[in-house]
Amino acid sequence: AQSVTQPDIHITVSEGASLELRCNYSYGATPYLFWYVQSPGQGLQLLLKYFSGDTLVQGIKGFEAEFKRSQSSFNLRKPSVHWSDAAEYFCAVGALSNAGKSTFGDGTTLTVKP
Amino acid sequence: DAGVTQSPTHLIKTRGQQVTLRCSPISGHKSVSWYQQVLGQGPQFIFQYYEKEERGRGNFPDRFSARQFPNYSSELNVNALLLGDSALYLCASSYSGVLAGKDTQYFGPGTRLTVL
Repeated sequence: AQSVTQPDIHITVSEGASLELRCNYSYGATPYLFWYVQSPGQGLQLLLKYFSGDTLVQGIKGFEAEFKRSQSSFNLRKPSVHWSDAAEYFCAVGALSNAGKSTFGDGTTLTVKP
Repeated sequence: DAGVTQSPTHLIKTRGQQVTLRCSPISGHKSVSWYQQVLGQGPQFIFQYYEKEERGRGNFPDRFSARQFPNYSSELNVNALLLGDSALYLCASSYSGVLAGKDTQYFGPGTRLTVL
């Protein structure tokens, strides 16, 4: 069975500081990996996704993520955080054979200090 | 273009009642998925439909059912509501439901269900 672990429930960073959100997955085959962001009262917005090829993936809003197969990780990074980045972030894993079914982690809440 | 829309926005029911949630996908999208998000947790997959056929089902009891209509909109039904069914129910649409390549899953704002 596929699973996702986001070890950090809550992270606080200062505006302008760098950010890294951790994600570890468990899946038997080649995973399809996603990062989503959810603002209060909003649905989920896709930040980026990885299927194959270059292991460093660029997304929207200046985010990037690196797939490391040996560590079963897909960590999300941003070099300089803005106050508007405060939200909840979810990592998810999917598989082509499960066509559209994604398994999500429990999320990491990001607080940005002025 | 309109995004994924869901109705109603909020809903309050009592235990034992039945509820129907509705979802309209983005125009041109043929796949709809439903997720349940309990407070403090990530979304959990309930169903996926493509071209009116069920393509996937998560680990939910038979009290949960869904269908997709010829216009690709979808309904999620939950019977015999329990307190534990209180959650945000999210609908997502994509063109094919196969999320490789350029296809992307877009989420609606959700329906907040409270069961008293």
